[in-house]
Amino acid sequence: KAGVTQTPRYLIKTRGQQVTLSCSPISGHRSVSWYQQTPGQGLQFLFEYFSETQRNKGNFPGRFSGRQFSNSRSEMNVSTLELGDSALYLCASSLDGTGIETQYFGPGTRLLVL
Amino acid sequence: QKEVEQDPGPLSVPEGAIVSLNCTYSNSAFQYFMWYRQYSRKGPELLMYTYSSGNKEDGRFTAQVDKSSKYISLFIRDSQPSDSATYLCAGYNTGGFKTIFGAGTRLFVKA
Repeated sequence: KAGVTQTPRYLIKTRGQQVTLSCSPISGHRSVSWYQQTPGQGLQFLFEYFSETQRNKGNFPGRFSGRQFSNSRSEMNVSTLELGDSALYLCASSLDGTGIETQYFGPGTRLLVL
Repeated sequence: QKEVEQDPGPLSVPEGAIVSLNCTYSNSAFQYFMWYRQYSRKGPELLMYTYSSGNKEDGRFTAQVDKSSKYISLFIRDSQPSDSATYLCAGYNTGGFKTIFGAGTRLFVKA
């Protein structure tokens, strides 16, 4: 069974631009969560989607948004990029968002904002 | 105050040593407590999880949760160079659909 895939793996953008990251969950998984990982703050929760509905959101500004499609694939978008948005963005999928043992992470997208 | 506090280290030990990794948490609603391992350039992978308080053992790894003191621990016996990674503790509330992570502790096991 294929794991969680994220595209692109690496990205370089400049301040003020916007970016869209993609996450394809494990087949059969309907919950997708997004996290931002930085050396100073660690892993911080961005949002969680299940069946195209956002069920929870972390404490991030409105520049960060996401969506989930009917095939459970998810995208997150960051508009008006700032230097501080440089981070590893991770997505995790699980069957329904309640089973810890079924949550798997992708390899992440490393975003560098110049 | 962060919901899960973890010393980022780094922690360096010789091969064969017993490693103790610790976290504290403040959210009383957490029901599950997890330890993830993250190798360089990889996503985190679930190592162990515990429901509520108590101990759980899996091979060389033992996870402990003390809800009275809000303390989470991971012990690694007979540590190996392949254990060198970042270890992240986390808490989860099934009603919140989100996992809250500590900052992660970078562990180096020297051969």
